[in-house]
Amino acid sequence: DTAVSQTPKYLVTQMGNDKSIKCEQNLGHDTMYWYKQDSKKFLKIMFSYNNKELIINETVPNRFSPKSPDKAHLNLHINSLELGDSAVYFCASSHGNRGTQYFGPGTRLTVL
Amino acid sequence: DAKTTQPNSMESNEEEPVHLPCNHSTISGTDYIHWYRQLPSQGPEYVIHGLTSNVNNRMASLAIAEDRKSSTLILHRATLRDAAVYYCIQGNTPLVFGKGTRLSVIA
Repeated sequence: DTAVSQTPKYLVTQMGNDKSIKCEQNLGHDTMYWYKQDSKKFLKIMFSYNNKELIINETVPNRFSPKSPDKAHLNLHINSLELGDSAVYFCASSHGNRGTQYFGPGTRLTVL
Repeated sequence: DAKTTQPNSMESNEEEPVHLPCNHSTISGTDYIHWYRQLPSQGPEYVIHGLTSNVNNRMASLAIAEDRKSSTLILHRATLRDAAVYYCIQGNTPLVFGKGTRLSVIA
C-alpha cells in the first residue's frame, strides 16, 4: 500500500564504497525526485526525472548517478562514498513537475 | 536559497488553534505558496497550497494576504500528532525548502 517506498531504510558503509538506494512509486506519477537532508536538517533537491528523462540536476558531484529504468522507479547510485555523503536521502514523486509531491520514508546513509 | 521566512519555532497547547506565519515578499504573480510538514523521522508530507484565495482542506486552512507577500497556515485544533517542522515554500518547481518552523504541541 505504500505510495513511495525506498530501500534500504538504513545503510552503513565505508568510505570509498559504491552503493545504491532504490525508490519505487505506485501512484502512477510521471515525475520523480531525489532530495538530500543533511545533519543540519536542510532539505535540498538533487535530481528530478520526468518520464525517465532528467529535468533537474542541481550541483551534485558526478559520483551521484540517478537511473530511471521506468516511470515507477528512480534509483540513486553513489560511487566512491565520502564522509560528507552521510545524510538522509528522500525520494519523491508527483504528477507533472508542478504537482503535489509525495515523499518516501527516507534512507539514512552513514559513511564511516 | 529559500525565499520565505518563518519563525524558527512555535508552541501550542493541544486542541488550540495554531497560526503559522510565513513571509514571501519576493513572490511573483505565478508563484504558488506550498506548505509541507515533516514529522519526526519521516519524509515531508503535503499540507496545502494556494495562489491567491484562501484555501481549506481536511488538514488545514491557508490564509493568503491580499498583497500575497505573506500567508498563514492555520491548524484549527492542534493535536500531539501535529508536532512537526512546517515548511512554507514559494514558487513552483523545484520545491526549495527553508528551515521551516518547528511546532511543539503541549498536552
